[in-house]
Amino acid sequence: GDSVTQMEGPVTLSEEAFLTINCTYTATGYPSLFWYVQYPGEGLQLLLKATKADDKGSNKGFEATYRKETTSFHLEKGSVQVSDSAVYFCALAYDTNAGKSTFGDGTTLTVKP
Amino acid sequence: DGGITQSPKYLFRKEGQNVTLSCEQNLNHDAMYWYRQDPGQGLRLIYYSQIVNDFQKGDIAEGYSVSREKKESFPLTVTSAQKNPTAFYLCASRKTGGLEAFFGQGTRLTVV
Repeated sequence: GDSVTQMEGPVTLSEEAFLTINCTYTATGYPSLFWYVQYPGEGLQLLLKATKADDKGSNKGFEATYRKETTSFHLEKGSVQVSDSAVYFCALAYDTNAGKSTFGDGTTLTVKP
Repeated sequence: DGGITQSPKYLFRKEGQNVTLSCEQNLNHDAMYWYRQDPGQGLRLIYYSQIVNDFQKGDIAEGYSVSREKKESFPLTVTSAQKNPTAFYLCASRKTGGLEAFFGQGTRLTVV
């Protein structure tokens, strides 16, 4: 079956540090890949997505590239801010599976001033 | 503004009671989903519906029930058969042809 594995957290960084959150996946087909962000007490919001190999998704300074050869979709940001503190979820989904999403366990990021 | 509304935000249930969580969307999306989130874990799919009057079990459907009588609404009932219902429940929807999930703000259910 499908699965998504994220690096274990929590991750604590100082403001302006470089962020990487690793995500690898196992899929039976050719999924689209997503990063969602969850702020405390809220639902998830889409951060960025990529629909095919070598696509790069980007939003709000975050980037991730769909690497089919390594089955990875690592999230990066060059300079984090305190406001980036949240839980980040990597996910995959495809049309042939009723659009159901498979999520990783989430990585908690705390950015200190 | 279009979106998904879950209510209530917090819900307390006594042992042996059924409770119903509301999920309403005005995005005109066909597909709707219910997920359960436990601390330190990812989201687990409870039920999903791709069209009105039709729904399927997800990975952890035992102790839960749903209905889809209207396109806009997908309520989840947590029955007394669910042995460990304390969790954060998230409702999501998806438009036809898309794969991005749109989430509500969640309902935190606590058994007291």
